[in-house]
Amino acid sequence: DAGVIQSPRHEVTEMGQEVTLRCKPISGHNSLFWYRQTMMRGLELLIYFNNNVPIDDSGMPEDRFSAKMPNASFSTLKIQPSEPRDSAVYFCASSLGGGRNTEAFFGQGTRLTVV
Amino acid sequence: GESVGLHLPTLSVQEGDNSIINCAYSNSASDYFIWYKQESGKGPQFIIDIRSNMDKRQGQRVTVLLNKTVKHLSLQIAATQPGDSAVYFCAVSSGGYQKVTFGTGTKLQVIP
Repeated sequence: DAGVIQSPRHEVTEMGQEVTLRCKPISGHNSLFWYRQTMMRGLELLIYFNNNVPIDDSGMPEDRFSAKMPNASFSTLKIQPSEPRDSAVYFCASSLGGGRNTEAFFGQGTRLTVV
Repeated sequence: GESVGLHLPTLSVQEGDNSIINCAYSNSASDYFIWYKQESGKGPQFIIDIRSNMDKRQGQRVTVLLNKTVKHLSLQIAATQPGDSAVYFCAVSSGGYQKVTFGTGTKLQVIP
C-alpha cells in the first residue's frame, strides 16, 4: 500500500485566496483525521471522520475552514479565504477505526504558506 | 480537558547509549497511549502503543512504560542509533474515541 497520500506537498498562496488540500487514506481504513502542525501550537486535530461522516470538528479554527469526505477514498480540507496565520503543515491521517483505538498512519503533509 | 506535556524539549545522547523520553498526561480517564516519531519533512510515524490495562510493552529496541498512578509515560530506546534522531511525540486518548491529544514533542539528537 502506498500509505496516506496528500496533495499538494507544498502550496503558496496569497491572502484571501481559496486553498484546497487533498487526502487519500489507506484503503480499508474507516477513520480519517486532519491535523495542523505549527511551531507554536504543535499538532492539533482539526476534524475527524468515521465512515465518511464528520464526528468531531471542534478543532476547526473558524468558519473559513471546511472539510468533506465524499467517499471512503477521498477527503478535502478547504480554507476560504486564507490568511497568513493559516500557514502551517497540514497532515491527513487514517486508521482502521471500528470503535477501538488503533494507531493512525500519517501522510507526508502539505506545507501551506499564505503570503 | 486533556493536556499532554513532555519534560524535556531536547535530548542529546551518545550513539549506542539508551534513550529515555518522558511524557506526562493529565486525564486519569486516558486509556490509550501512543508514541510517534517524526523525521524532518515527514509525517509522524507510529512506533509503539500501550493500553491502560498494561504497564509495559516492548518492541524492537523500544519499550514503553506506563505509570497510571502518576500519569506518566516513557519511551525507552535501546542502543540509540543516528537514525533515531527525530522528534518524538506521545499521544493520549480516552474512552475508545479516536481523538488523540499530542504532546509538544522531544527532539532526540544522537551524537556519533
